[in-house]
Amino acid sequence: EDQVTQSPEALRLQEGESSSLNCSYTVSGLRGLFWYRQDPGKGPEFLFTLYSAGEEKEKERLKATLTKKESFLHITAPKPEDSATYLCAVQAQGTYKYIFGTGTRLKVLA
Amino acid sequence: KAGVTQTPRYLIKTRGQQVTLSCSPISGHRSVSWYQQTPGQGLQFLFEYFSETQRNKGNFPGRFSGRQFSNSRSEMNVSTLELGDSALYLCASSQPGTGGRNFEAFFGQGTRLTVV
Repeated sequence: EDQVTQSPEALRLQEGESSSLNCSYTVSGLRGLFWYRQDPGKGPEFLFTLYSAGEEKEKERLKATLTKKESFLHITAPKPEDSATYLCAVQAQGTYKYIFGTGTRLKVLA
Repeated sequence: KAGVTQTPRYLIKTRGQQVTLSCSPISGHRSVSWYQQTPGQGLQFLFEYFSETQRNKGNFPGRFSGRQFSNSRSEMNVSTLELGDSALYLCASSQPGTGGRNFEAFFGQGTRLTVV
């Protein structure tokens, strides 16, 4: 069965303290892996798409990487405004649905 | 470019009633999908439509249904509401990709449904 597991569930960082979020997945043929950010009471906001192992994408303080079994979202020198829930999702070949993990709640303290 | 628009933003309904939620996708997007988000289960896939055809359906009871119109706008309906249907319902739209890939989905702000 296709599934996504994210860790840790919650993470508290001091401003400037870099860290990584993990997304482990099992899927029968990966079509794409997606990272989203969600603020309370809002819909998920798209961050990155990764398609194949070895691929990397960067945006400001965020960098996403992909292997055959997991993806990492690296946050460099985070700021309080990076506080949010980060969601990982996969889409399998032959389907059009996203399978989401339960997310990592990130809190960055000033 | 306008984003995905969902209406209404908030709804309060009584058990046993039915409800219809609406979603207007980003202009040019022909795929619309729906998700239910609850604190315990996270985001769960409901169904996906493309050119008025349902291509995938999640593991939800038949009380949950949807449709897509020729202008790509979509509606979902929940009949005989139960307390457990209280959730944030999210709609997402995307463009079809090429070469076996899909473009990313963009989400609306959601409709917060409370069943009392």
